[in-house]
Amino acid sequence: AQTVTQSQPEMSVQEAETVTLSCTYDTSESDYYLFWYKQPPSRQMILVIRQEAYKQQNATENRFSVNFQKAAKSFSLKISDSQLGDAAMYFCAYRSSRSGGGADGLTFGKGTHLIIQP
Amino acid sequence: DAGVIQSPRHEVTEMGQEVTLRCKPISGHDYLFWYRQTMMRGLELLIYFNNNVPIDDSGMPEDRFSAKMPNASFSTLKIQPSEPRDSAVYFCASSFGARTGKAPEDTQYFGPGTRLTVL
Repeated sequence: AQTVTQSQPEMSVQEAETVTLSCTYDTSESDYYLFWYKQPPSRQMILVIRQEAYKQQNATENRFSVNFQKAAKSFSLKISDSQLGDAAMYFCAYRSSRSGGGADGLTFGKGTHLIIQP
Repeated sequence: DAGVIQSPRHEVTEMGQEVTLRCKPISGHDYLFWYRQTMMRGLELLIYFNNNVPIDDSGMPEDRFSAKMPNASFSTLKIQPSEPRDSAVYFCASSFGARTGKAPEDTQYFGPGTRLTVL
């Protein structure tokens, strides 16, 4: 079974600065998908960014980018120019590229609570 | 387009009562998932459907939990009888299937969740 580990329960950053959230995962598969979700106090799960494992290029969405290191099984999220609205819980998630037999569900890390200091 | 819709947003009930949570997935999505979020266990998959058929229910904690998807636009998660340890946030999510050619594949979109409190 796959596991996802987020080793930073909480991170704090000054507004306008850059912060990196860590995520590692364990899998024996070669093809899969990785995601970062944001959960603000409203508890809505919001997709931040998506990475396909067979693509070597790191995904980018505006101020959000990832550093995907497949050999190291690492998938960190970088937030540039942090804004107050970025304050939330951030979850790293894994999904197999296989279908059926439970493979389609997401496996989540425990989350990182991001605090933005004004 | 409307996202995933869940109802109710909040539910408070007493131990032993039946609870029914409802979900309407995004139109056209092939998959529907039910997750539960607690402080102790984090986010965990309970059950999911592909084209209205249950594929994997190994995450359903006990026989007190059941889920149905009678059509492509509606699913329910039922707890009978409810217990205080069932208190959690329950999320419904939907997605296109893998390798269907429909973008973005495999990306799950979540509803706002139902906060369940069992007294």
